[in-house]
Amino acid sequence: QQQVKQSPQSLIVQKGGISIINCAYENTAFDYFPWYQQFPGKGPALLIAIRPDVSEKKEGRFTISFNKSAKQFSLHIMDSQPGDSATYFCAASGMDSSYKLIFGSGTRLLVRP
Amino acid sequence: SQTIHQWPATLVQPVGSPLSLECTVEGTSNPNLYWYRQAAGRGLQLLFYSVGIGQISSEVPQNLSASRPQDRQFILSSKKLLLSDSGFYLCAWSVRVGEEQYFGPGTRLTVT
Repeated sequence: QQQVKQSPQSLIVQKGGISIINCAYENTAFDYFPWYQQFPGKGPALLIAIRPDVSEKKEGRFTISFNKSAKQFSLHIMDSQPGDSATYFCAASGMDSSYKLIFGSGTRLLVRP
Repeated sequence: SQTIHQWPATLVQPVGSPLSLECTVEGTSNPNLYWYRQAAGRGLQLLFYSVGIGQISSEVPQNLSASRPQDRQFILSSKKLLLSDSGFYLCAWSVRVGEEQYFGPGTRLTVT
């Protein structure tokens, strides 16, 4: 029940396309859902986060869509650029995880020029 | 603004040798601190977290230990390294447990 399942493992998108990464969780007590971006050899950087009181949050080209009933959330990267090529991690936390972040396994995104 | 530092950036150590990795945070007081390990091409494994000086919670039984001697200092140690300890070690901090975590630059450890 503590798992966060992330898919796909890897994704190749053409420049200008839309990148979509999905995550699913089982624990209904989770109430915080961040996404992190990690470049090779660097620490992950917080990209965007959402709470269950909204179904969508947008920051620039990055959008989180949240479906509480399906227990799923996704990251959409609009107008994907080669500089977006990185590994993306979703995560979740809540009372049942003692508020520790539970991370997905990561998605390696490659945006081709 | 807050800054998190880790050192060393890279480390190559023989099996059986001791380890000490250091993490410090600037610009905030009483942060929650975390140690993660990331194996090559894999996700993040939480090793330890601390909500205050001297308070350490261990997530995974292993060859490692953590200490928090000062409010903004978090140390990861081992008395005898194993080959399986190789990986990318990340320190992170947050204002509250379960909310935004901010990661340091990481330490790449290779045990030979």
